[in-house]
Amino acid sequence: SSELTQDPAVSVALGQTVRITCQGDTLRSYFASWYQLKPGQAPVLVMYGENKRPSGIADRFSGSTSGNTASLTITGAQAEDEADYYCNSRDSSGNVYVFGTGTKVTVL
Amino acid sequence: EVQLVESGGGLIQPGGSLRLSCAASGFTVRSYYMHWVRQAPGKGLEWVSVISAGGVTYYADSVKGRFTISRDNSKNTLYLQMNSLRAEDTAVYYCARDCGGDCYHASDYWGQGTLVTVSS
Repeated sequence: SSELTQDPAVSVALGQTVRITCQGDTLRSYFASWYQLKPGQAPVLVMYGENKRPSGIADRFSGSTSGNTASLTITGAQAEDEADYYCNSRDSSGNVYVFGTGTKVTVL
Repeated sequence: EVQLVESGGGLIQPGGSLRLSCAASGFTVRSYYMHWVRQAPGKGLEWVSVISAGGVTYYADSVKGRFTISRDNSKNTLYLQMNSLRAEDTAVYYCARDCGGDCYHASDYWGQGTLVTVSS
């Protein structure tokens, strides 16, 4: 299966830690990348590979993979982290890409 | 500075055609994989298509046979030709640069998107 499943929504208190997960069989073969999407803005890459952050992304963002599950963790969540987060990877062919169902993160 | 600027969106009737453009600057389109991704109103991100540096193309099942991705190296521009448009194709369409195998084919730069509305 090439589906990537995420929890629809999570909430986190300001300054606390939240983990967002992405499940799919394809993650046993390919790493996920993670994108932050805010209303009216373009998606932003926040994590790729095995815990690699693009330049300019805060170090409170970290990633991991175990079996068929990829995780994005925000340690010390800030108000500006409130957004939708999507994982992305490739299907079993390696040629077709798929996004996760998305997780809305609310910072309380 | 890397920039991607989409254009060509608008209101189109079902069954119609539209061509989206994505003008790139700060890098050479022919040297990278390039993607189109869309987001329908109130929905999540959906991958649409990719063109490799070598020109090989792949599509999501939902658009296969109707959409065609291409590029013009002389204009450093990516295109998405969309035919037989349906109401469910209504979305903001983004182009994105794939940073390649060294970054596990993540998309490191995105345009601001162009809205396509399919309605009679």
